[in-house]
Amino acid sequence: AQKVTQAQTEISVVEKEDVTLDCVYETRDTTYYLFWYKQPPSGELVFLIRRNSFDEQNEISGRYSWNFQKSTSSFNFTITASQVVDSAVYFCALDSGTYKYIFGTGTRLKVLA
Amino acid sequence: EAQVTQNPRYLITVTGKKLTVTCSQNMNHEYMSWYRQDPGLGLRQIYYSMNVEVTDKGDVPEGYKVSRKEKRNFPLILESPSPNQTSLYFCASSFKDRFYGYTFGSGTRLTVV
Repeated sequence: AQKVTQAQTEISVVEKEDVTLDCVYETRDTTYYLFWYKQPPSGELVFLIRRNSFDEQNEISGRYSWNFQKSTSSFNFTITASQVVDSAVYFCALDSGTYKYIFGTGTRLKVLA
Repeated sequence: EAQVTQNPRYLITVTGKKLTVTCSQNMNHEYMSWYRQDPGLGLRQIYYSMNVEVTDKGDVPEGYKVSRKEKRNFPLILESPSPNQTSLYFCASSFKDRFYGYTFGSGTRLTVV
């Protein structure tokens, strides 16, 4: 069975703090893709990053970085020097190529000024 | 502008009255999908379509129908809505390989009374 677990329901940080959002996945497939999406208070869903199962390189994009570890089935997302505009719900998702695309339950991040 | 257009944005209806939520994309995407978002449950896949005339059930298909007669359109049909279908619905599309992740519509907030 496929599953995505985001155990952190809600996180609050003060602006400029670093924060890591956890994502743990389960799949029996050897080829799969992992994604992060952002849902700001306005409600739209925005694609942030995609990783395939053969590429364990970490990725950095500005203040965002992602750490993919197959050994622990995790795909964690770190925001460095958080800002109020980072306040949103963040979803991790798994696509194992069966055309079913599974989302986690999301982590609500609140960045306080 | 590349986008997924959902209509309506808001809908209040009564139990049992058939309704259709439309979804259209202008990116020539093969893959389209419907999700519902409920508090604490994240996004759950209702139906997906890999191409014209090819659809399959997601994790929560009961009470919903879809069709894919044209590549750009993927309407969601509730033949006899019930209050437990009150939710926020998202349509999404992507290329078949889903390399760039989903593009989501703006969402449809449905209330069934």
